[in-house]
Amino acid sequence: AQSVTQLDSQVPVFEEAPVELRCNYSSSVSVYLFWYVQYPNQGLQLLLKYLSGSTLVKSINGFEAEFNKSQTSFHLRKPSVHISDTAEYFCAVSGPPTGGFKTIFGAGTRLFVKA
Amino acid sequence: DGGITQSPKYLFRKEGQNVTLSCEQNLNHDAMYWYRQDPGQGLRLIYYSQIVNDFQKGDIAEGYSVSREKKESFPLTVTSAQKNPTAFYLCASSISAPGYSGNTIYFGEGSWLTVV
Repeated sequence: AQSVTQLDSQVPVFEEAPVELRCNYSSSVSVYLFWYVQYPNQGLQLLLKYLSGSTLVKSINGFEAEFNKSQTSFHLRKPSVHISDTAEYFCAVSGPPTGGFKTIFGAGTRLFVKA
Repeated sequence: DGGITQSPKYLFRKEGQNVTLSCEQNLNHDAMYWYRQDPGQGLRLIYYSQIVNDFQKGDIAEGYSVSREKKESFPLTVTSAQKNPTAFYLCASSISAPGYSGNTIYFGEGSWLTVV
């Protein structure tokens, strides 16, 4: 069965410091990879996704993630975080192995940015 | 603006009651979903619908029911058979199957259900 593991449940970091949120997935075939962000008491919204091509994908607000097929990882990074980045981040995978309409979500990583 | 509207935002249910959560989308998406979110467990799929008048069970469908009579509407009923319904419920939609083309899933703002 497909699975997504987010290795850290909480990540505290000071403002303007770099951050990495780790995500590993299990799949022996090609899948699509996503990072979604959830602000308090809101739904999730797409941050970035990998479909094919360049393994480095970027969001409009400075986040980036790199698809590493050999390590089955899709870690999310930002070189300098802001207070407003405080949120919960979910890694997700979809693709033929999960079934067309099933997206598998990780348990989430709560990013807490401190002043 | 296009989006997904869920109501109510907060709902309290007494033991033995059925309650219905509303979900409406104006994105013209074919696929709609209901997820349940519990702290530390991520999102779990309750039901999904590929098209009007069709829906499929997800991973935790027991104690829940849905209907899809209109493209834009996908209400979720939490029945008295659901023994632990207190959770955050998220309705979502996508233009078509995410697994075949990497389509983005769009989410509503969520509904909190508490059993009292």
